[in-house]
Formats: sequence, C-alpha cells, structure tokens
Amino acid sequence: EPEVTQTPSHQVTQMGQEVILRCVPISNHLYFYWYRQILGQKVEFLVSFYNNEISEKSEIFDDQFSVERPDGSNFTLKIRSTKLEDSAMYFCASNFAAADTQYFGPGTRLTVL
Amino acid sequence: GQQLNQSPQSMFIQEGEDVSMNCTSSSIFNTWLWYKQDPGEGPVLLIALYKAGELTSNGRLTAQFGITRKDSFLNISASIPSDVGIYFCAGQLPRGTYKYIFGTGTRLKVLA
Repeated sequence: EPEVTQTPSHQVTQMGQEVILRCVPISNHLYFYWYRQILGQKVEFLVSFYNNEISEKSEIFDDQFSVERPDGSNFTLKIRSTKLEDSAMYFCASNFAAADTQYFGPGTRLTVL
Repeated sequence: GQQLNQSPQSMFIQEGEDVSMNCTSSSIFNTWLWYKQDPGEGPVLLIALYKAGELTSNGRLTAQFGITRKDSFLNISASIPSDVGIYFCAGQLPRGTYKYIFGTGTRLKVLA
C-alpha cells in the first residue's frame, strides 16, 4: 500500500541553523500539507500546497518557514533560522483531492539545541 | 479560530472494558476523522466519516458523525492492551483548503 515517507526521522540542530525536512508524498497525490506537533500537544496545521504554490498557511508559518516541491516526488519544509520553540514533530500529509482524507507520514522529530 | 474540544483528556481502563470518547466544536465540519498515534510516530487513520449521522465501524471501533456536524464520538469495544495510545479527532473544514483541525487528544491506558 502506498504511503507517505519522511526523512530524516530525527534531526538535531543548533539554534540559528537552517534545516530542511523532506517528504515523499503518495505518488498520484496533488495536495500536500505540513503539520507540527509540539511534545504533548495537539497536531497543528502549518501550510497547504497545491499546483506549486501555497494555498493556505497558519500564523505559525512565518517568514522563517518555506516549502518547495523541487521535483516530481519530494516536498520539503525549510526553516531558515531555527529557534528553540521550533522543536517538535513535523508531519507531512497528502491527498489526491482537497476534500479527500489526508494520509500522514511518520514524522520528523526536530530538536533545536 | 476553530477549535475542537476532545474529552476525556485521559483514561485508564481495564482490559475488556468498552471505551468512549468524543469531540465537540462550535464549527461545522465536512468530514470527521479519528486517528491513533503511538509514541514517536505519525497519526494513523482509524475511521473516516463523511456524512452527518453516519455510523461506521472498523473492527472493535465504532464512530459516528453528529447530526449537527459539530461533533463526533469514537467507541472501542472490549479493549486490549495494544489499544493504548493517543486518539485524536480531526475535523476537516468545509471550505478553503479543507485543512484539518485536530482535537487535543485522549490518552488511553489499558490495564491488563
């Protein structure tokens, strides 16, 4: 069964460094999402992406964040200058049509020191 | 913004007991979904509900989409130790990007 994959599973970085989190959505999906979950808290929407542009972003998704689909398979989330409070699990999700069920990847745990 | 209130926050139950949890909101949702999350992993979809009033089962799990489209419940019958984890409801907004709003989670612990 096709699934969303994410790499790395765990990333440790120093405050102020740039990180890129990678996702490979399910191959025929067209809509892509990033969510974040701070330890012990609920999953929060960050951004949605369709047709090579952002369709919606939350207030969390400030200028330090960017997303890109650099080729036909990858979907990346870049944090330009990480802060301690960026430490969280980051989940990628995708679906074929906007109203369809979204399928989540296993997540990347980001730890900012 | 939209919020989902999920209850209970946590529960300890004996193996074999039935479990019930629910989500409520002041907003209307297009779709209700229930996910289970194990520690350090991503949410795994358990049940998806697409119509008001819909009652759907998946093995020992049963979920219902409230008639008002503002609530949903999940029941687990005859719980077993592997049911332990955090259960999240998620509502999909009926317009815009159809993003998901997640509930705060119910942490379930099953005592053998």
